[in-house]
Order: sequence, then C-alpha cells, then structure tokens
Amino acid sequence: DADVTQTPRNRITKTGKRIMLECSQTKGHDRMYWYRQDPGLGLRLIYYSFDVKDINKGEISDGYSVSRQAQAKFSLSLESAIPNQTALYFCATMASGSKLKGEQFFGPGTRLTVL
Amino acid sequence: AQSVTQLGSHVSVSEGALVLLRCNYSSSVPPYLFWYVQYPNQGLQLLLKYTTGATLVKGINGFEAEFKKSETSFHLTKPSAHMSDAAEYFCAVGANTGNQFYFGTGTSLTVIP
Repeated sequence: DADVTQTPRNRITKTGKRIMLECSQTKGHDRMYWYRQDPGLGLRLIYYSFDVKDINKGEISDGYSVSRQAQAKFSLSLESAIPNQTALYFCATMASGSKLKGEQFFGPGTRLTVL
Repeated sequence: AQSVTQLGSHVSVSEGALVLLRCNYSSSVPPYLFWYVQYPNQGLQLLLKYTTGATLVKGINGFEAEFKKSETSFHLTKPSAHMSDAAEYFCAVGANTGNQFYFGTGTSLTVIP
C-alpha cells in the first residue's frame, strides 16, 4: 500500500467551482506540504504544516486554502477555481526528527484541469 | 533566501555515456541539498541528499553528487547511463531548519539507445 495517497488522481472542473484535493499518509510524519508543478517552473510550495495547529503559507498561497484535519490528513482547497490553477498537485510528508533529515515523501499527484 | 538553478531543461545522452546534470544554489544559511527523480505519471522520489559531512554523496541507481561550497554547486553524475534513467530530475535546497524547500525547474533526461 502507498504511504502517501492523494484523491482524486484526476479532476476536470469549471471556472468558479470549489475543489478539494485530499492527502492522507500512513508514515506517521508530522510535516505535510502541498506543491504545484507546472511545465518549466518545477515545483512551487503552496502551503505547509508542521502539525495540526501549525499551518504556514508557501510562496504561492493566493487562491488556495488548506485544512489539517488530523496528523495524517492535509487537504487543499480552491475556493473558486480559475484556469491558471490547472496544474499537477503534489502532497509530500516529512519527519521532523533527525534520522530522515530533509527527506520528503511524495504522493502520486493530482492532475487538475480548470476549464 | 534560497533558490536553485538547473542548467539545461533537456539533456540527451547515449546509453553507456556519462550523465551530468547541473545544479547551482543560493542560500544564506548552510544548505540541505537534494536530487529527486520523477518517472512518468509518478511522484518524486529521493535520489540522494547532502546535509552535513562528506561532500560526495552516493544515491540510488548509481547516481552521486558532490557538494562544492565554493562553487555553490551540487551536480548530479552517473558514469554510465541506462535506458531506465530516462526521467525528470529535480534539484532542491532547504535550510538546515528544514522549514521550506525550493526546487529547480527540472531537467528532462533522455537516454538514446
């Protein structure tokens, strides 16, 4: 079974719709991240969370919100989707302990298309 | 502030040839440096990382990278390319606080038979 799962894997929606992307992990990691990947731009950080009560904006948080419902779950919402939010979205986890310094574990991605 | 520059968005090598993917970084604090690989329709997976200690780090699948502080570089190499190495490769930098990570724009590696 995958350690980091994302649902849905693919989604097509229309401009103005509210969309939620979900991420679950069984790795027991405390830190979780949401990135978007665009061709030629690499991965850019949207939000990150160090625990349920600690949520932080990344470099491109405008138009997005997140919810950390539990240590294992981190959801990304687009309140009113727009076409330039069409991208591949990745969730990642990381342990804060020293044993796995800095190593992030990525989910398989959600491909979102906004028409 | 931290940032990563990957020179060459596309690199092609012949099977059996040397692979060299370039990464330069900027960081105001001692960096953590990473190379991740992304195969088609998959998430990223860690190839190797530098945190502290030995500057030449070895990773999976025969890849290695050397941290050169004076050149602010962390180039990825593999002596002999294999067809299965065809993928997208991302360099990333993070501060030793581990709060945020910044990724390069990626290099797509093509291996020619």
